[in-house]
Amino acid sequence: TQLLEQSPQFLSIQEGENLTVYCNSSSVFSSLQWYRQEPGEGPVLLVTVVTGGEVKKLKRLTFQFGDARKDSSLHITAAQPGDTGLYLCAGEEETSGSRLTFGEGTQLTVNP
Amino acid sequence: KAGVTQTPRYLIKTRGQQVTLSCSPISGHRSVSWYQQTPGQGLQFLFEYFSETQRNKGNFPGRFSGRQFSNSRSEMNVSTLELGDSALYLCASRRDRDQPQHFGDGTRLSIL
Repeated sequence: TQLLEQSPQFLSIQEGENLTVYCNSSSVFSSLQWYRQEPGEGPVLLVTVVTGGEVKKLKRLTFQFGDARKDSSLHITAAQPGDTGLYLCAGEEETSGSRLTFGEGTQLTVNP
Repeated sequence: KAGVTQTPRYLIKTRGQQVTLSCSPISGHRSVSWYQQTPGQGLQFLFEYFSETQRNKGNFPGRFSGRQFSNSRSEMNVSTLELGDSALYLCASRRDRDQPQHFGDGTRLSIL
């Protein structure tokens, strides 16, 4: 059973479109992180959210942490081909110590 | 600032052999975690070391083991390799809990 459900699994859009990726769980997380991974490389940290209801912006990317700290979303405005990659959410449960639990990932392709 | 360094980048082994992977964390980071990434299971937590002690462990068989040295460098060992061990093995480091994890580019292990 996947602790973190990420949707959609695959997304192919045209340059300039907007998109949202969702990350949901029945567990409460002390923090949630978003990573982007490109082929042949390790995941690169985009953002960490720790407070329920928190919203963080990173240029065209907006991250939101749910009020109950069980879910999160990543919204990209005016997507560009350079945004193509595997987007991963990862949560750290309050009871799991220091391990990260990852979602299955969303493979985003932005076509020029 | 140098990132997390993993060696080797690629490795080919046959069933029944054993393998040792190495990870050098970011300078000043005392926590090192290992993850296995496969297409079917995604990223799964193996174990975490902090100050030469295993602090957390995932649900992997005893064939998977690790250790950490006094300089925070870590090694992961897999004995009696199976075909299903083919994966990208990722190492992540951080200063301590409540800090984000930073990943290396992984070791791609292929079992023939």
